[in-house]
Amino acid sequence: QVQLQESGPGLLKPSGTLSLTCAVSGGSISTDNWWSWVRQPPGMGLEWIGEIFHSGSTNYNPSLKSRVTLSVDKSKNQFSLNLTSVTAADTAVYYCARSGYYCLEVWGKGTTVTVSS
Amino acid sequence: EIVLTQSPGTLSLSPGERATLSCRASQTVYNNYLAWYQQKPGQAPRLLIYGASRRATGIPDRFSGSGSGTDFTLIISRLEPEDFALYYCQQYGSSPPLLIFGPGTKVDIK
Repeated sequence: QVQLQESGPGLLKPSGTLSLTCAVSGGSISTDNWWSWVRQPPGMGLEWIGEIFHSGSTNYNPSLKSRVTLSVDKSKNQFSLNLTSVTAADTAVYYCARSGYYCLEVWGKGTTVTVSS
Repeated sequence: EIVLTQSPGTLSLSPGERATLSCRASQTVYNNYLAWYQQKPGQAPRLLIYGASRRATGIPDRFSGSGSGTDFTLIISRLEPEDFALYYCQQYGSSPPLLIFGPGTKVDIK
């Protein structure tokens, strides 16, 4: 059974770059699934950030596209998120997830990222 | 870009009652690629329904999804104590590929 675990710094300064990694266990990242990032600001709803296939193909949310880069490391069975020029508005719980039938069928537990000076 | 609207914002019910949650899209949802998630405080969302009406693995049959086009419904036939939570709908758009979530409906104990 596939499990996902997010990791990365919990605190960032404004204008910095947010970098998170999602480790995939219990299965290979090189399947027919896409791998997504989703975030949830405190007390608010869910926002899809983007997705990546093991080949490196990506799709991004247009609202974040200019600041987001997703990458995959098949040797480590993990994928990563980079978000540049962060502000307080990027403070959120960040989840990684495995896509299923046009949905997100497996989720990590999430990691909290706070942007503050 | 499609906008999803969920109603009501909050649904106050008692255990054993039936819950009916609505998700309306501003445009036709491509191929009825509409999913529902449950989220409890401090937890990640859990997939309940995909493809508008297909239950995800391990989801009890008291959860059912229906609808097509722009109007979709999640029904919880008899609320169990563990069902009081937030529920989100999500659609998948193909051009460009994009997942969009609704704002959520909170089901709380009356």
